[in-house]
Amino acid sequence: EVQVVESGGDWVQPGGSLRLSCAASGFNFGGYGMNWVRQAPGKGLEWVSYISWGSNIIHYAESVEGRFTISRDDAKNTLYLQMDSLRAEDTAVYFCARDLRDQALDCWGQGTLVTVSS
Amino acid sequence: EIVLTQFPGTLSLSPGERATLSCRASQSISSTNLAWYQQKPGQAPRLLIYGASSRATGIPDRFSGSGSGTDFTLTISRLEPEDSAVYYCQRYGNSPPRTFGQGTKVEIK
Repeated sequence: EVQVVESGGDWVQPGGSLRLSCAASGFNFGGYGMNWVRQAPGKGLEWVSYISWGSNIIHYAESVEGRFTISRDDAKNTLYLQMDSLRAEDTAVYFCARDLRDQALDCWGQGTLVTVSS
Repeated sequence: EIVLTQFPGTLSLSPGERATLSCRASQSISSTNLAWYQQKPGQAPRLLIYGASSRATGIPDRFSGSGSGTDFTLTISRLEPEDSAVYYCQRYGNSPPRTFGQGTKVEIK
């Protein structure tokens, strides 16, 4: 079964850091681009970041550029999101999602909650 | 940055009726770069349509997508109670950002 499972969400104070992980199984992880998407409580979806297979292409939303870093370890079938200088507005459920040939996000995890609050 | 505007904000229909959801882009986009998702409360989004009109694996044929340029449509031909959800369009492609619309909520009476 094709599956991605996020972990690492937690409560953190403004200015703090957190690293999210996304464990993939059931498919050739190294052959797919991967994304992070977030959803603030009661709000819509916001695309956050993308990393290509091979890690040679990386994109970020303007709202996180310079503060978040996406990476992957293909040997561990795991995607990461390092989040630094966190702000209250980063509070959201963070979803990991697989890229379908640069056309859509075809496999999503259940998400992990990040709460930034003092 | 391309902005996607979805309308209506909420659609309230009865089972068996036809639902028409719209997504308008602020600039023309390639139809290969338009996707639709369904999200039910407490769940992750699910891909319905990619490339504006291709159904994702396992999606019933009552869901269909169409459109080009700046105007795209998701049609649910015969609503069923389990179709109650929020529907999002997304502009995809290999240049960021991969923007989502704000969503249309479909309520089943």
